[in-house]
Amino acid sequence: SQTIHQWPATLVQPVGSPLSLECTVEGTSNPNLYWYRQAAGRGLQLLFYSVGIGQISSEVPQNLSASRPQDRQFILSSKKLLLSDSGFYLCAWSRAGGIYNEQFFGPGTRLTVL
Amino acid sequence: AQSVSQHNHHVILSEAASLELGCNYSYGGTVNLFWYVQYPGQHLQLLLKYFSGDPLVKGIKGFEAEFIKSKFSFNLRKPSVQWSDTAEYFCAVKTYNTDKLIFGTGTRLQVFP
Repeated sequence: SQTIHQWPATLVQPVGSPLSLECTVEGTSNPNLYWYRQAAGRGLQLLFYSVGIGQISSEVPQNLSASRPQDRQFILSSKKLLLSDSGFYLCAWSRAGGIYNEQFFGPGTRLTVL
Repeated sequence: AQSVSQHNHHVILSEAASLELGCNYSYGGTVNLFWYVQYPGQHLQLLLKYFSGDPLVKGIKGFEAEFIKSKFSFNLRKPSVQWSDTAEYFCAVKTYNTDKLIFGTGTRLQVFP
């Protein structure tokens, strides 16, 4: 069966510090991968998605970037965090291609920028 | 741009009450529709989905949703809620030619015994 992992689960970082959140998927190959930010009362906002290694699409302009160095690894980064980067970050995966591709979500990372 | 609206932001019910959460989307083409649920402290998980066929879909834990194409709606229903249904519920839409989900802002449901 497939599983998705995210770490760390919680993170407190000072403004201006770098960020690296990691997401890995097991039990499948060539998944589509997604990063979302969930804010209270604002639902889930898609930040990045990837259909393959090195292929990243950015959905909103922001202080964050994403990379996919391996097939089942997706990393969310920032060189200098802003207060507004605080939030709950969710990684998700779906099977590539076809129309019957629901998304499966990881446990999330709670990021607090002070 | 496509969007999803969930007009009920916070719903409070007593056990055994009936539930209906609204979801409307803006897109004129073929869509796939989803309801996800996030129980306190747990992963976001799929409650039910519609891809094609019977517009009334049944999901886990007694939930169902009806796709009404003419109204661009996919409302979630449950005849009798339980305390364990306390959670946040998200409607999502995927247009036919993309792999991206567009989520609504979510509805927080609180059920009191």
